[in-house]
Amino acid sequence: KAGVTQTPRYLIKTRGQQVTLSCSPISGHRSVSWYQQTPGQGLQFLFEYFSETQRNKGNFPGRFSGRQFSNSRSEMNVSTLELGDSALYLCASSLDSTGLNRGYTFGSGTRLTVV
Amino acid sequence: GENVEQHPSTLSVQEGDSAVIKCTYSDSASNYFPWYKQELGKRPQLIIDIRSNVGEKKDQRIAVTLNKTAKHFSLHITETQPEDSAVYFCAASMEGGADGLTFGKGTHLIIQP
Repeated sequence: KAGVTQTPRYLIKTRGQQVTLSCSPISGHRSVSWYQQTPGQGLQFLFEYFSETQRNKGNFPGRFSGRQFSNSRSEMNVSTLELGDSALYLCASSLDSTGLNRGYTFGSGTRLTVV
Repeated sequence: GENVEQHPSTLSVQEGDSAVIKCTYSDSASNYFPWYKQELGKRPQLIIDIRSNVGEKKDQRIAVTLNKTAKHFSLHITETQPEDSAVYFCAASMEGGADGLTFGKGTHLIIQP
């Protein structure tokens, strides 16, 4: 079956702009999480969605937001981009965030560069 | 919140030797500990995970051990091969919780021929 699909793969944006990233989870997976990966901070949790509800949010400013649709696809939005937002944004899907199967499958990520 | 420390940041071993990567966590409520391998330019891939009701798990050349009392867990790779070269991340979370995975900073494993 198809894996986790993230689009676009690469993005270049200017400071102050906003950006929307998309993630389609594995078919049947209902939980989608987002992570930011940078060389300095490593992998950091942004937020998790399950059944269209945001379950929690990591320590990121309000400029970072997201949503999940009824088909489990998720989008994350970053407004008023800053140079420090340059990173690889990874989406991960899992079967059920409340059950015993906690394994996450990551997508290939969206490489965002802010200039 | 949870804090995960990972050591070493870089590990170089001869092909065929064993490699050990260690992580410690701070939240005693954490009960799920996965390990991910990330090759250059690729996505992290789950290689093995362990839950707090077991102390050790093996999958061919890879094993993970967990010491709940000391709050540390380790990844062991035996008979290392060139394709084992990658960055390895440990993580911790509480199953059923909503805080996601807390990752260590990663270990760059280099297999010397």
